[in-house]
Amino acid sequence: AQKVTQAQTEISVVEKEDVTLDCVYETRDTTYYLFWYKQPPSGELVFLIRRNSFDEQNEISGRYSWNFQKSTSSFNFTITASQVVDSAVYFCALIHSTGNQFYFGTGTSLTVIP
Amino acid sequence: GAGVSQSPRYKVAKRGQDVALRCDPISGHVSLFWYQQALGQGPEFLTYFQNEAQLDKSGLPSDRFFAERPEGSVSTLKIQRTQQEDSAVYLCASSLRSFREADTQYFGPGTRLTVL
Repeated sequence: AQKVTQAQTEISVVEKEDVTLDCVYETRDTTYYLFWYKQPPSGELVFLIRRNSFDEQNEISGRYSWNFQKSTSSFNFTITASQVVDSAVYFCALIHSTGNQFYFGTGTSLTVIP
Repeated sequence: GAGVSQSPRYKVAKRGQDVALRCDPISGHVSLFWYQQALGQGPEFLTYFQNEAQLDKSGLPSDRFFAERPEGSVSTLKIQRTQQEDSAVYLCASSLRSFREADTQYFGPGTRLTVL
């Protein structure tokens, strides 16, 4: 069975602080993909990153970075120097290599206070 | 357009009415997905199309839910005899290749359905 857990329901930070969003997953598959999506108030899910299970290199994209640790089944997301525009709900999701559906976590609502 | 579009963005229905929700995927995308997102929850899978073929409808909650993609492009999700528990945001997503590629799915803005 596939399962994604985002234990942090809501987080508030002050602008310019760093914040890490946690994601823990369960799967019996050896080949799978992990994703992060951002859902701003407008409702549309915006793709942020896709990572396959064989690539444990951390990735940095501007103020965003991702830490994939297969040993702990975690795929955490860090925003450095947060900005008000980062306020949104962030979803972690998993899909296995031959699957046709995402398994989403329940999301973390991030509020960045100016 | 460049992205996935959905219409209407908002729909209010009286209990018992039928509704139809439309999705226009990214041009050329083979795969199309429908998800249901309840308030405060992550999206949950409803059904999947590869071109015009509906390959997986395991997530449809009841036989009141029906989806089609007759020409392999635009898709319609139909809900018959709506119930209050059907109130949710319905998201459509598309991806370039078949599900075997586990491609990135690109989402539309959703249709917020409220059943009174």
